[in-house]
Parts: sequence; C-alpha cells; structure tokens
Amino acid sequence: EAQVTQNPRYLITVTGKKLTVTCSQNMNHEYMSWYRQDPGLGLRQIYYSMNVEVTDKGDVPEGYKVSRKEKRNFPLILESPSPNQTSLYFCASSWGGTSGANVLTFGAGSRLTVL
Amino acid sequence: AQSVSQHNHHVILSEAASLELGCNYSYGGTVNLFWYVQYPGQHLQLLLKYFSGDPLVKGIKGFEAEFIKSKFSFNLRKPSVQWSDTAEYFCAVNARGDYKLSFGAGTTVTVRA
Repeated sequence: EAQVTQNPRYLITVTGKKLTVTCSQNMNHEYMSWYRQDPGLGLRQIYYSMNVEVTDKGDVPEGYKVSRKEKRNFPLILESPSPNQTSLYFCASSWGGTSGANVLTFGAGSRLTVL
Repeated sequence: AQSVSQHNHHVILSEAASLELGCNYSYGGTVNLFWYVQYPGQHLQLLLKYFSGDPLVKGIKGFEAEFIKSKFSFNLRKPSVQWSDTAEYFCAVNARGDYKLSFGAGTTVTVRA
C-alpha cells in the first residue's frame, strides 16, 4: 500500500531533550515536506526537500533540522525542543514538478508535547 | 509570498443542507489550487485540485469548487451534506513553479444528523 509512515505517533518529552521524528515513503516520491498544525493557524511548512541532499526552509524552520540522505526518508530533528514546539506534525510527499509537487500524500501525524 | 484566507472557522449545519466554504488567496500570478480534507482520526487527503482549464472542478464525494480568477477565490461547495462530511477542510495554494504550498487556517465542518 502506498503510504507515508511517521514515527512516533505520540510523544511527550521535556525541554532540551533531543528527539527525531522519522518519516518514510514507499512511493519513490522526489518531494517531501514537514508541516506543523496548530489551532487557528492551519498547516505551516517547516522544511521541504526536492530530492536527495536537497533541502530548503519553509515558513517556520527555527528550532528544527532535517536531512535527506535517502530518497525514502526525511527525518525531522528537534535538537533542543521547547514548549512552543508542542504541536501536531505531518510529513507529506509527492512526485515533484511544478504542478505535481503539491498533490501531497500525508502521513498520519505525530502529536508532540514538550513539557 | 502567497497567503490563504478561509472565511469560516467553524460551520455547523444539518444533513441535506448545502455547504459553501470560502477561500481567498493573495498572489497575482498563476496558481495551483487545492482543497484537502481531514476526517476525524484520518490522514489529510486531497479533495480536489485546479491547475488549469475549466474553472469548475469536481472532486470526490460530491464536492466541487469554482476558481474565480478576478476574485482570487476558490470556494468549495456541496449541494447536500451528509453526517460523514464532518471534517476539517483546508484550502491550499502554490504559485506555479514554486514548491511552497501555503495552507489556510482550516474550517471545521460539523454536520448534525
């Protein structure tokens, strides 16, 4: 089944404790992206990647890192999480291209709480 | 950079009522337009999209949207809603040739049986 898989789905952590949210897709998609969803703000893009070793900042990249060493994986790293990073995170992927880039397949979401 | 406005934060209606959700964007160039839906407990999924051609597009589950270029709008409609249409709906826009997809704040639709 074509899908985007995120882990963990739920995580409670404490301020400053590094964590990684993994994202993997099995569709050979070139484009991958991370979003955070907050009430009243919709989805805001954190980082995106157009292909292996090609990443760029979205609207809200502060406090996050990403890497794209393999086509299928696009982990989101919080080096020193803070409470304002408490949110629902979505990974998404697509084939790419100027139109196709944005017919996204989403993961199930990862709900992160930072105490 | 483009921005997206969704007019309603929460809409409550009864089954068989008609639904229209407003979406406006701010960008003067050519755009791709999308509506995504998030049903309770499910992934975000594509409802419909507009790239070019007929400005009235039809999506899944009886939804349609009309692109009105002069009004920078892409409103979503359904003539008769069902309880199963209860979900959060997101309008999204990207400038043609740009990878950045901007989402609206979302509209929660509650359909009462």
